[in-house]
Amino acid sequence: DIQMTQSPSTLSASVGDRVTITCRASQSISTWLAWYQQRPGKAPKLLISKASSLESGVPSRFSGSGSGTEFTLTISSLQPDDFATYFCQYFNSYAPPFGQGTKLEIK
Amino acid sequence: EVHLVESGGGLVQPGGSLRLSCAASGFTFGNYEMNWVRQAPGKGLEWVSSIGSGGTPIHYAASVQGRFTISRDNAKNSLYLQMNSLRAEDTAVYYCARIHADYVSGFQYWGQGTLVTVSS
Repeated sequence: DIQMTQSPSTLSASVGDRVTITCRASQSISTWLAWYQQRPGKAPKLLISKASSLESGVPSRFSGSGSGTEFTLTISSLQPDDFATYFCQYFNSYAPPFGQGTKLEIK
Repeated sequence: EVHLVESGGGLVQPGGSLRLSCAASGFTFGNYEMNWVRQAPGKGLEWVSSIGSGGTPIHYAASVQGRFTISRDNAKNSLYLQMNSLRAEDTAVYYCARIHADYVSGFQYWGQGTLVTVSS
């Protein structure tokens, strides 16, 4: 089974900062990667699909890149609403695994 | 507008059973694969099960295989998860989720979740 590993587990940053979260797959997954944002007490929200395709309504400060085994989610200028937990997911499997999550905290 | 509303969660003793439901609206339910995803308190997301648009194929995570059964009723726009032989480690918020409209881009819509607590 393919495993997804995110880093870091926790990231402290300030409003206006540029931040990058990494997701690594245990074997090549082409660009079959999704990124989700989850705020406390809420359901996850799909931000990016197919590694770099921004979902409708998602602010352009979010971007995704990568292929194969290494992927990144970048937020170009953090806004207060962005402090949340982010998950990656390999999505071309009958058992689509998630990464363990990256909690983005206010510094 | 797409809506997914889960129900059926609650407190159950170890070894007990529970049936979760997910009521869907705002889209043609019978056209989409549906999934259950869970999240233990303070933990990450774990995919649990999926069911194809017409009722097959069906897949389960190894952690629930043989204990949980996913089903759907397209006439009632409803998704179900029958959970038997429940264990403490099944304690989680259970979300139903619909795949993306393009079928290959992740889980586009999620319900608000229903909490299942397995404890004596």
